Amino acid sequence: DAGVTQSPTHLIKTRGQQVTLRCSPISGHKSVSWYQQVLGQGPQFIFQYYEKEERGRGNFPDRFSARQFPNYSSELNVNALLLGDSALYLCASSLLIAELAGNEQFFGPGTRLTVL
Amino acid sequence: AQSVAQPEDQVNVAEGNPLTVKCTYSVSGNPYLFWYVQYPNRGLQFLLKYITGDNLVKGSYGFEAEFNKSQTSFHLKKPSALVSDSALYFCAVRAGAGNNRKLIWGLGTSLAVNP
Repeated sequence: DAGVTQSPTHLIKTRGQQVTLRCSPISGHKSVSWYQQVLGQGPQFIFQYYEKEERGRGNFPDRFSARQFPNYSSELNVNALLLGDSALYLCASSLLIAELAGNEQFFGPGTRLTVL
Repeated sequence: AQSVAQPEDQVNVAEGNPLTVKCTYSVSGNPYLFWYVQYPNRGLQFLLKYITGDNLVKGSYGFEAEFNKSQTSFHLKKPSALVSDSALYFCAVRAGAGNNRKLIWGLGTSLAVNP
């Protein structure tokens, strides 16, 4: 069975540009969460989607947005990129809303974004 | 404030020795606690969780964790460390209420197991 997949694996952008990151959850999982992991730190929660609706949002500016499609895949968009947006962006899927049900999340390998 | 603390940035142990990676938390209500491991250039992998029940939780790869309510701790343990256990370990706790619930993550502890 395929795990969580993310694309692209690496991305280099310049300040002010926009980026779209993609995630496909494990088959049958309906919840997708996005995290930002800066080097040397733990993951920071950005968004959670469940059944195509936003169910949680972390402390990130409005430049960050996301959506979930009918097939439960998800995109994370970041506008007006800043140098500080350079990080590993992780997508995690779970059967239910992980934080409510206590289910573990399954993480993809991440997208490494570098902003120059 | 709701938080998770991993007081050690790095833990070094010799192969075959027992290991402990510490985690303390501060949340309201009953905590849901998790341990994840991150190998180099790979995503996070779930190790184990505590929701309710026995304070000693057994997880993947021979790891276990002990929930201690009075000390608000959830330390990760393994009786005999392997070199392949060398990785970054994260503790996480569920926080918030209703639709504002989310996982709060510690900063991680780098475990180095020396042959």
